[in-house]
Amino acid sequence: EVQLVQSGAEVKKSGESLKISCKVSGYTFTSYWIGWVRQMPGRGLELMGILYPGDSDTRYSPSFQGHVTISADKSISTAYLQWSSLKASDTAMYYCARRPTSVSPMDYWGQGTLVTVSS
Amino acid sequence: QSALTQPASVSGSPGQSITISCTGTSSDVGSYNYVSWYQQHPGKAPKLMIFDVSNRPSGVSFRFSGSKSDNTASLTISGLQAEDEADYYCSSYTSRSTLEVFGGGTKLTLL
Repeated sequence: EVQLVQSGAEVKKSGESLKISCKVSGYTFTSYWIGWVRQMPGRGLELMGILYPGDSDTRYSPSFQGHVTISADKSISTAYLQWSSLKASDTAMYYCARRPTSVSPMDYWGQGTLVTVSS
Repeated sequence: QSALTQPASVSGSPGQSITISCTGTSSDVGSYNYVSWYQQHPGKAPKLMIFDVSNRPSGVSFRFSGSKSDNTASLTISGLQAEDEADYYCSSYTSRSTLEVFGGGTKLTLL
């Protein structure tokens, strides 16, 4: 069974750093892309970027380039999304999701990680 | 402002059919058959309902169907049921960023 299990909710202050995780199971981690999607409170979905763990090919949406870092640890089948300096506007739910190719839709999703940043 | 345009809300009665539109441009919907639709219930993760314009993943009801004409894609839900009440998002591959873009979402309400 394919599963993506994300780390728990975080409450941080502006300026702090954060790294959230997405541990996968039930498929070969290095053979599928992983995407990270932001959903701000009461708002829609935004694709932040995608990563291919097999060769670490990483692509960011223009709005998120330079603001976050997507990475992975193949040895533990886990993908990460990190910030070096959080802002209040980073408050959102963040989802990881699997995609078979770089242009495929996201077919399996994690449960989401709520990040709350106070100013 | 989202890259793809969807109506904010649609409504229908149980048993009826509804259609949700998703309008893009020649840089996304109009040029690629990589249009997907996701369903999201409150507090839940999105679920893939349609991919590549009109294909249903295994396990998705045949009541959900997709189509595309020029720069506009559509999701049709027939025989509306209570559990269909949710938010629906379209997405499309775009040449502008080589990733995908989403619509703003449509809230489906059952009357």
